[in-house]
Amino acid sequence: GAGVSQSPSNKVTEKGKDVELRCDPISGHTALYWYRQSLGQGLEFLIYFQGNSAPDKSGLPSDRFSAERTGGSVSTLTIQRTQQEDSAVYLCASSLGGTGNTEAFFGQGTRLTVV
Amino acid sequence: AQSVSQHNHHVILSEAASLELGCNYSYGGTVNLFWYVQYPGQHLQLLLKYFSGDPLVKGIKGFEAEFIKSKFSFNLRKPSVQWSDTAEYFCAVNPSGGYNKLIFGAGTRLAVHP
Repeated sequence: GAGVSQSPSNKVTEKGKDVELRCDPISGHTALYWYRQSLGQGLEFLIYFQGNSAPDKSGLPSDRFSAERTGGSVSTLTIQRTQQEDSAVYLCASSLGGTGNTEAFFGQGTRLTVV
Repeated sequence: AQSVSQHNHHVILSEAASLELGCNYSYGGTVNLFWYVQYPGQHLQLLLKYFSGDPLVKGIKGFEAEFIKSKFSFNLRKPSVQWSDTAEYFCAVNPSGGYNKLIFGAGTRLAVHP
């Protein structure tokens, strides 16, 4: 597609359940980011994939959070045993990567509500 | 660790007022700098960017930003705001010359009253 696509757009889950959030980056973009946006908290970095390099997981808030990127394209963010504080908008972005053009393009986000 | 500071969390202006939003970053090397905007109900989109060259960068909708290396700053300006500029504005930094993540500031929520 023309832009970054995220699914689902909204997800309501019960506390304790696992959820998977999907991101389809722009074709040809080697860099992929996950961020979390909470009300009044700005954009919290979660994880960053760049090509075949080991991902930068330094932003993941706990071991309940994990992400993978298959074939250098689609990425899935998994949250296990969800808690109410996980409620937020999860944003995915992609960029051409490399040392030059690092402009990131964002998806619409997945609004996660844990009840 | 690299960080980005946006000094104003909420700004309220009347139409035609001038705008300046502060952004400072902590990183000693060469950086790429960005301002993103998020209009109500919409996704984040790029407002302007600086990679190299003229430190005064012009973006969409009459916005501009000035990179002052000695001050580690990249402040966003607009001479005369409109009601349609009501949005949240995010400054972001990415160290250039390597594969590094994009770090965002906490954002500034701007409300423009008619």
